[in-house]
Amino acid sequence: DVKVTQSSRYLVKRTGEKVFLECVQDMDHENMFWYRQDPGLGLRLIYFSYDVKMKEKGDIPEGYSVSREKKERFSLILESASTNQTSMYLCASNSFRTGVNHYGYTFGSGTRLTVV
Amino acid sequence: ILNVEQSPQSLHVQEGDSTNFTCSFPSSNFYALHWYRWETAKSPEALFVMTLNGDEKKKGRISATLNTKEGYSYLYIKGSQPEDSATYLCAFWCGGADGLTFGKGTHLIIQP
Repeated sequence: DVKVTQSSRYLVKRTGEKVFLECVQDMDHENMFWYRQDPGLGLRLIYFSYDVKMKEKGDIPEGYSVSREKKERFSLILESASTNQTSMYLCASNSFRTGVNHYGYTFGSGTRLTVV
Repeated sequence: ILNVEQSPQSLHVQEGDSTNFTCSFPSSNFYALHWYRWETAKSPEALFVMTLNGDEKKKGRISATLNTKEGYSYLYIKGSQPEDSATYLCAFWCGGADGLTFGKGTHLIIQP
């Protein structure tokens, strides 16, 4: 019973391409997050959203944008991919109702993006 | 940016041995401390969410303790098994809308 689905497990793109990473959750969660994970740096927050059409910058938003047109879908967009955006990208969700102080995040299985 | 530190960075343990590792976090504005297990090729999975000073949580052979006054949490694994091999992440929540701040993880390898 997969609850957070990321569209691709592996992706190879060329420098300068526009890249879309899709994340869909079926738990009716309000909050959705995009992280990237790099060796030695841990999980770093790129963008998050707490409602449809709402988006907020995280710690490292430069070079990225997001879209949340429907509650269940949160898309990460690399406007012009660069080699330093080669990374593992993780999507996560949780709910206001249950709260960050009671339940953990539900994560997708990640997309390993390589920009060549 | 909040500082969440985990140590050690990596750990090799013999099968059957017990082990523990540490997460340190800011002792102010504490709302919650999470532990996740992240196995290779899988999604990170929540192990524990801890909110009260002195909390102790247990799930099978894995347990965790919390000290919010001094800003640390320990994760313990008793009688390590090969399936315990994973990266263990801790994450701190200070109540902000941006959610959790993660540590860099402890990479645990269980050797048969």
